[in-house]
Amino acid sequence: DSGVTQTPKHLITATGQRVTLRCSPRSGDLSVYWYQQSLDQGLQFLIQYYNGEERAKGNILERFSAQQFPDLHSELNLSSLELGDSALYFCASSGQQNRAAEQFFGPGTRLTVL
Amino acid sequence: KNEVEQSPQNLTAQEGEFITINCSYSVGISALHWLQQHPGGGIVSLFMLSSGKKKHGRLIATINIQEKHSSLHITASHPRDSAVYICAVRYQGAQKLVFGQGTRLTINP
Repeated sequence: DSGVTQTPKHLITATGQRVTLRCSPRSGDLSVYWYQQSLDQGLQFLIQYYNGEERAKGNILERFSAQQFPDLHSELNLSSLELGDSALYFCASSGQQNRAAEQFFGPGTRLTVL
Repeated sequence: KNEVEQSPQNLTAQEGEFITINCSYSVGISALHWLQQHPGGGIVSLFMLSSGKKKHGRLIATINIQEKHSSLHITASHPRDSAVYICAVRYQGAQKLVFGQGTRLTINP
């Protein structure tokens, strides 16, 4: 158990819908990272937050947004969902802003868009 | 061509064999990570390296900065080592982790 929690574990929804994925980092970790793992693209970095502020952006679509709250949990919002958004979404946390630090991964949320 | 290349893509071995998985990258990095992903999907961070060698139990990770290459070794492999092993790098001056495509390892009893 990494100490990072993600909810829900599974999510099935329809095209055009909007969903919110939630992540709680390890106790004391200030950095949260979001990753997408799809069958054809592998793992890709989406976005990083550090202590409530966006720190780095990767291959995140404009339809997607994220935020980190004062209690350090983070949410990833996916809107106007398409079939291709079906993937595993991982959250990871670390104790440092520097992303060369070790990251601890949550169990992931499996999103299926029908 | 992926920026981070792993080989082999698939590896099947017998229990007890010595396993090596390779990772090559193209430009200077500040850190390299080895991750393990089990069939259920969960990802575990195994190592983070910026130079030299690290050992944890039966797992050994090495990195050669000059050759831009890292290896993950498993000694006395066991069926429970069956998983996908993923290499990821953070390039110097860059902000994101870039992942290899993964190596699917199957250890037969």
